[in-house]
This record gives sequence, C-alpha cells and structure tokens, in this order.
Amino acid sequence: QLVESGGGLVQPGGSLRLSCAASGFAFSRFAMHWVRQAPGMRLESLSVITGNGDSIHYANSVRGRFTISRDNSKNSLYLQMGSLRTEDMAVYYCARETTAAAERFFDLWGRGTLVTVSS
Amino acid sequence: DLQMTQSPSTLSASIGDTVTITCRASQSIRDWLAWYQQKPGKAPKLLIYKASTLESGVPSRFSGSGSGTEFTLTINGLQPDDFATYFCQQYTSDSPTWTFGQGTKVEIK
Repeated sequence: QLVESGGGLVQPGGSLRLSCAASGFAFSRFAMHWVRQAPGMRLESLSVITGNGDSIHYANSVRGRFTISRDNSKNSLYLQMGSLRTEDMAVYYCARETTAAAERFFDLWGRGTLVTVSS
Repeated sequence: DLQMTQSPSTLSASIGDTVTITCRASQSIRDWLAWYQQKPGKAPKLLIYKASTLESGVPSRFSGSGSGTEFTLTINGLQPDDFATYFCQQYTSDSPTWTFGQGTKVEIK
C-alpha cells in the first residue's frame, strides 16, 4: 500500500514536504508518481521518478518549484514543494507505475494528503 | 497538448442498469488508456488498462472498449458498490505524459 503524509496549511510562497510510505512490494523496482487534484478540477500528473532515481520528469506547472526524490532504503517517496501558490491547493496522491512491458498506467494509489495554501 | 474529454460529468442510474462512460482523446493514443474508480477519501482503483484489459480482481461487469481517439467504459448491471467517480487516463508508452479525463460521477437515481 501507499500512504501519503505531510499535507497541511501553508502560506503562499511557503514550502512543504510530502512523503509517501510504500509497503508490501519491492519499492525500488517501480517508477513512482505524484498526482494532484485541485477542488473541482481533473487529476494532474506532476512528476515521475524511476526506480533507481536516475530519470525524473516534471509537469510545466511545477518545474523549478517542486522536487521529487526517493529513498529506496526507507521505501519512501518525497515531494519537496516550494514557492507555493494558491493554485497548488489540492489533494496530492502518490501512485505506482506498472512494470508491465510497454505500459505506463498506475496500478496502485494512495489515499492522498491535502495541501491548503492560504494566508 | 493532448486533451482528454470525458462525458457525461454526472450520470444518474439505478441498481441493475447498464451505464456507459465515454472518453475522447484529441489525437490518437492507440490503446494506451486506463479507467479508474474513485470513492471519497479512498485511493483510486485501477479497473481497466490497455483500453480493454480488466485488472485482476475487478468484477466482470466492468468492460472497456475503443482505440485511437474514442473509448468507453461500460458497467453491466450496476451494483450498490459501483456508485463512485470514474476517470480515464491516457498514458503514452514512449513519452512521459499522463493526462486524465474530467471524471464521471455515477449517482443513484
């Protein structure tokens, strides 16, 4: 399973670090994602990191402000968020990408953690 | 940019009904499409991938079809546990982009 934590209330311009604890599978074998859903909006894929961390991609909306990382020794995924804006307010999910050949869907999700950006 | 358009946004149905949800891509995505179910406060759950492949453990009343730009999710014989929000996701095998539909809330009529 995947369990997110670290969400909360932060002021605009502030920072927050989200964590995702993985259990029950070989964490280092899987690429992992952060996805968010703002109120009334569709899900938005934010960032992905490969199993060994050697390749990372970001959505344009967060590039330069957010940093994804992982610690395979702790079976944990992280999202360091900086220069937060009101439009970053959302539920943030971590998700596991399948290892099925030539497929890139998400086969396991967490329940999410709420980030509120407000003064 | 590739866009995914899902319809309807809300669907009212009764137990036992057959319901269909549509997802359209702005350009061909071959069969790189997944469907998920989401309930409030719970983790999204994978239902179907590769447009029509049922995820292990998912009831056979769920089915997916389509390729290219138009896809459907069908629930045959709606059950009480199926009242939830469903969303589609495109995933291109050869580039790091994942785009979601707006979601369809299936409500009790």
